[in-house]
Amino acid sequence: DIQLTQSPSFLSASVGDRVTITCRASQGISSYLAWYQQKPGKAPKLLIYAASTLQSGVPSRFSGSGSGTEFTLTISSLQPEDFAAYYCQQLKSYPLTFGGGTKVEIK
Amino acid sequence: EVQLVESGGGLVQPGGSLRLSCAVSGFTFSDHYMDWVRQAPGKGLEWVGRTRNKANSYTTEYAASVKGRFTISRDESKSSLYLQMNSLKTEDTAVYYCARDLRIDGGYYFDYWGQGTLVTVSS
Repeated sequence: DIQLTQSPSFLSASVGDRVTITCRASQGISSYLAWYQQKPGKAPKLLIYAASTLQSGVPSRFSGSGSGTEFTLTISSLQPEDFAAYYCQQLKSYPLTFGGGTKVEIK
Repeated sequence: EVQLVESGGGLVQPGGSLRLSCAVSGFTFSDHYMDWVRQAPGKGLEWVGRTRNKANSYTTEYAASVKGRFTISRDESKSSLYLQMNSLKTEDTAVYYCARDLRIDGGYYFDYWGQGTLVTVSS
């Protein structure tokens, strides 16, 4: 199985900060990676697919990069509505797996 | 408007069975792969399984933790996806989400999700 390691698992930041979350895969997954945002009590929301493509309707302050085994999600200027949990997911091979998540909280 | 609405969750004893449903609308159901994902209380996301689309004969894949106990099926006439869960264990307690897949360059990404339904396995 492909393991995804997200870091950090917890992040405290202020509105306006630039935030970077890393996702490392235990083996190469090309660009078959997605990023999701989840707010408490809500379903996850697709932010980024194919490692770097912004899903329709997602603000441009979100961006994704990477390929192979190392990926990043960047929020260029954190907004109040961005405080949430973020998960990466690999779709290269079965079983599909998610990272452990990164919780972004208000400093 | 794409919509996915789960139902069927509830309290069940260990060893029992439950069937979850996911009613979809707003898109051509038979064209899409569909997935089930679960989230135990306070934990992260776990993929449960997938059914492919009509063009791929509705074949299925499962996580090792549920293989042999859970079965995914779909009824195109009712635009519904199902998750039959047998031999339930306490560790199956979770919110269960259905998700639609978006095919992009050979990858299938979860672009729409239902609101989730809670399954509690407890005596």
